[in-house]
Amino acid sequence: QSVLTQPPSVSAAPGQKVTISCSGSSSNIGNNYVSWYQQLPGTAPKLLIYENNERPSGIPDRISGSKSGTSATLGITGLQTGDEADYYCGTWDNSLSAWVFGGGTRLTVL
Amino acid sequence: EVQLLESGGGLVQFGGSLRLSCAASGFTFSSYAMRWVRQVPGKGLEYVSGISVSGSHTYYGDSVKGRFTISRDNSKNTLYLQMNSLTAEDTAVYYCAKVVTTEGYYMDVWGKGTTVTVSS
Repeated sequence: QSVLTQPPSVSAAPGQKVTISCSGSSSNIGNNYVSWYQQLPGTAPKLLIYENNERPSGIPDRISGSKSGTSATLGITGLQTGDEADYYCGTWDNSLSAWVFGGGTRLTVL
Repeated sequence: EVQLLESGGGLVQFGGSLRLSCAASGFTFSSYAMRWVRQVPGKGLEYVSGISVSGSHTYYGDSVKGRFTISRDNSKNTLYLQMNSLTAEDTAVYYCAKVVTTEGYYMDVWGKGTTVTVSS
């Protein structure tokens, strides 16, 4: 059971928008920044969002992040088949003194 | 180009030991914290361990505490993970990752991973 809770799967049609939630507590999301990672099939994870809502260079602005209280959300608009991947949220947990990940969400573009 | 290259994975017997290495290039290794993250095939990402810039501070996930040891050699631009008392639950792909130690402490560069298989 992961410390951060994500839905196992989400789906949407090409061109549509999808959001992926990540729920935690005051010991993690509530007091620390959240980052998001994309893992395409058979590849290593890749940073998508850092410090709640910042995009690394090369990440398009149709990808966004937000945080409110003890939850964070990843948003992807203009869905493409190339967005089909697993998405993970992550943050530091002050009680565990360890990094924690969500269980991951598989995005299917129908 | 910033790169991380893991090595040292392989097949090991139950209860055995293995040392993973992660060779860094393209950035000033001695200026960044580092982490190991693993992934059981078909499962999610799991934090294994982290180490500070100098190596003076180390952190571990609950499932590996007391069995795994993280270390680094800044003169060789290399990160290590010594794994002892291995069990079947340690079978996974092990990734090393570079940590940006601003407030976010996020991982901005990942290696391709090395596979560890523990078998009786």
